[in-house]
Amino acid sequence: NAGVTQTPKFQVLKTGQSMTLQCAQDMNHNSMYWYRQDPGMGLRLIYYSASEGTTDKGEVPNGYNVSRLNKREFSLRLESAAPSQTSVYFCASYSYEQYFGPGTRLTVT
Amino acid sequence: QKEVEQDPGPLSVPEGAIVSLNCTYSNSAFQYFMWYRQYSRKGPELLMYTYSSGNKEDGRFTAQVDKSSKYISLFIRDSQPSDSATYLCAMRDDMEYGNKLVFGAGTILRVKS
Repeated sequence: NAGVTQTPKFQVLKTGQSMTLQCAQDMNHNSMYWYRQDPGMGLRLIYYSASEGTTDKGEVPNGYNVSRLNKREFSLRLESAAPSQTSVYFCASYSYEQYFGPGTRLTVT
Repeated sequence: QKEVEQDPGPLSVPEGAIVSLNCTYSNSAFQYFMWYRQYSRKGPELLMYTYSSGNKEDGRFTAQVDKSSKYISLFIRDSQPSDSATYLCAMRDDMEYGNKLVFGAGTILRVKS
């Protein structure tokens, strides 16, 4: 039972490049989330998916898009990366509590 | 003003000390209160979960919720170096669509041996 998995673990991008962060959960949870974590800011919600087929904006959605591919998978896309998107990104899924993945450390130069 | 306020620390204590971590919040609709522990370069993991007011104890950890003061606490007894981590409080209300949580900024705890 892997729980929540994320790929890649680390990524360095140049300004303007695009990339997709992948997330998958094997717990059959309906709800999934993408957060970013910056020093002193805690976890800020980017987008979430309350159930398969739905996605909604969170607190800081600008510059990101998401796809709920199926019940297991929820991806986050940066279309044109900016240095302000340098952060650690966490995916989570929910059933009575939120279970977090190990994170993706993204640096945009 | 943030919906959930948490002192970022760092809080440095000697091994064996009692640690008190706190959060205040402004939304009186919050009913579910959680504490997550996050080790360096890892994802957060749930430590304690409380519904509404009151206390909950689990081993060396005690969570307290005072809804009248909009104040929650996590106490760690006999702290160990392995407790060194960032502790995040989180909360949500009963009717929150998508079960979204609001997190505090996290408090860095260092337990010195």
